[in-house]
Amino acid sequence: QKEVEQDPGPLSVPEGAIVSLNCTYSNSAFQYFMWYRQYSRKGPELLMYTYSSGNKEDGRFTAQVDKSSKYISLFIRDSQPSDSATYLCAMRAQGGSEKLVFGKGTKLTVNP
Amino acid sequence: TAGITQAPTSQILAAGRSMTLRCTQDMRHNAMYWYRQDLGLGLRLIHYSNTAGTTGKGEVPDGYSVSRANTDDFPLTLASAVPSQTSVYFCASSLKWGETQYFGPGTRLLVL
Repeated sequence: QKEVEQDPGPLSVPEGAIVSLNCTYSNSAFQYFMWYRQYSRKGPELLMYTYSSGNKEDGRFTAQVDKSSKYISLFIRDSQPSDSATYLCAMRAQGGSEKLVFGKGTKLTVNP
Repeated sequence: TAGITQAPTSQILAAGRSMTLRCTQDMRHNAMYWYRQDLGLGLRLIHYSNTAGTTGKGEVPDGYSVSRANTDDFPLTLASAVPSQTSVYFCASSLKWGETQYFGPGTRLLVL
């Protein structure tokens, strides 16, 4: 089983839809969870960062972590065409020597 | 702020030739990373450096070498390029190893 699993999509939604992007993981030691957004032909940029369980909201974006299920989600409300990108989850365990593990990314298209 | 810069933006390289991909960051981050990103395979770590003067091997190091003479620069060298090294290469940095990473814009390399 891979450490981090992410459905590659592609996911296509109409403008204004609520989008749910998800990752599952196998390492129960993961404590730090991130979502990166990558526009076409650009580098990934950090979108959301959460520690341990719970929700974090930033504008139209909500990151949710369910450690009991080893499942993280990114919700996008009122999706816009400018949200069209590939979204990568990333996570790591606590400890100075732990590496950041990335999902393979989900490609999202928001249609006007 | 510049953040991370990479050069060149893109390159076509004949198989068997050598090439150095350049990466410079101005955030005084201790850790730096090189990834390649391929369709269906996601981001794969090639080499990393925890701090100036040290380097380490990632997931796919064969055919690549790095050096870290100072904090800001982390060049990646392909000694004798092969077509399987055709990819998009991203440099990233973080304040410390394993922490949130910030990515450069990437170098698209085609080896023929």
